[in-house]
Amino acid sequence: GAGVSQSPRYKVAKRGQDVALRCDPISGHVSLFWYQQALGQGPEFLTYFQNEAQLDKSGLPSDRFFAERPEGSVSTLKIQRTQQEDSAVYLCASSSGTGTNSGNTIYFGEGSWLTVV
Amino acid sequence: AQSVTQLGSHVSVSEGALVLLRCNYSSSVPPYLFWYVQYPNQGLQLLLKYTTGATLVKGINGFEAEFKKSETSFHLTKPSAHMSDAAEYFCAVSGNWYQFYFGTGTSLTVIP
Repeated sequence: GAGVSQSPRYKVAKRGQDVALRCDPISGHVSLFWYQQALGQGPEFLTYFQNEAQLDKSGLPSDRFFAERPEGSVSTLKIQRTQQEDSAVYLCASSSGTGTNSGNTIYFGEGSWLTVV
Repeated sequence: AQSVTQLGSHVSVSEGALVLLRCNYSSSVPPYLFWYVQYPNQGLQLLLKYTTGATLVKGINGFEAEFKKSETSFHLTKPSAHMSDAAEYFCAVSGNWYQFYFGTGTSLTVIP
């Protein structure tokens, strides 16, 4: 597609409910990232995939957070037993490369806004 | 470890005036430095990045930033502000290439 697409754009979940957030990266992009942006804060890294391999999940805040990219394209971020502190914008990003060079730009989606009530 | 401090959570400038958004970083390894812009309800858009080489980096929309290692700074400038520049700006540092540490952002208001 033309850009990184995320769905749903807005989600209201009751505390304790499980949620799944979907990311469609730019077609052909090898690398995919998830970031969490709390209100009034900068985004914080959650996890990184290269194709279907999850190479870095050091930013996932707890074992309630789980991400997958089984076929190396679409990715899903799942949050189990949501809590109020999970309320944030979840940003997905993708890149055609696997390292930094002049051609490697990371493109962010518009985000999925999660509110836990 | 890497971190970023953005001085000034809100900056206002008159249309046509100089834009200066400040960013200081801390990094235990040679840093990669980035500026991103975020418009309301939109994702982050890369303005410019420094990886290696020339310390003065030019980006999109007339923005530029200079990497000053001695000052651990990477301030963003634009000679003449335009109304369309009003947005949230984030400075970020990375020790690898994908794990960004973002500042808390600076909201830029352009006064007509």
